[in-house]
Amino acid sequence: GAGVSQSPRYKVAKRGQDVALRCDPISGHVSLFWYQQALGQGPEFLTYFQNEAQLDKSGLPSDRFFAERPEGSVSTLKIQRTQQEDSAVYLCASSVRLAGEKETQYFGPGTRLLVL
Amino acid sequence: AQSVAQPEDQVNVAEGNPLTVKCTYSVSGNPYLFWYVQYPNRGLQFLLKYITGDNLVKGSYGFEAEFNKSQTSFHLKKPSALVSDSALYFCAVRDGLSGNTPLVFGKGTRLSVIA
Repeated sequence: GAGVSQSPRYKVAKRGQDVALRCDPISGHVSLFWYQQALGQGPEFLTYFQNEAQLDKSGLPSDRFFAERPEGSVSTLKIQRTQQEDSAVYLCASSVRLAGEKETQYFGPGTRLLVL
Repeated sequence: AQSVAQPEDQVNVAEGNPLTVKCTYSVSGNPYLFWYVQYPNRGLQFLLKYITGDNLVKGSYGFEAEFNKSQTSFHLKKPSALVSDSALYFCAVRDGLSGNTPLVFGKGTRLSVIA
């Protein structure tokens, strides 16, 4: 079946511009995660949704970062007034809770954001 | 708090030789351990996981990993490396007692398999 998809794949923004990154999780997956991967580093947690509820946003680096998942499916990560330090790959992952299954997170291809 | 250490930034191995990519972890509860692989300009691809049960876990593409509780390690292994295994490998952990928590990743190890 279809995996996690993200768009756009690449985004170049001028400093101060707002950007919106989209994630389409695997159909039926209730949990959705956003991670930020800086160059040469492992992914770092940003925020987590279970259906439409944002249960954890402790990883969001500033109040310029905002995420939503209004209908419990597609999610959007918005960054306002982008700064150069926001340049990174933004990864989305989804997982589903099944009886007897310990959730594996499945990742999308990521959006590479470059802020000039 | 959870943490993962991948002590090697780079591992080089000749094609056909066995490979090991090292990972140690720290977690307060029960460790759920994962290995992912990342190819250039691609997302993370799941390889295998340890939740409970046998310490030796088998995954995709002939990879396996051994959970060692006393050494808090979860090294990734493959008996015979292929050139196509060249990629960036990430170890990750989450605390199994805390619900669907986010993964904590290591910095990654770049594997280079030389023909």
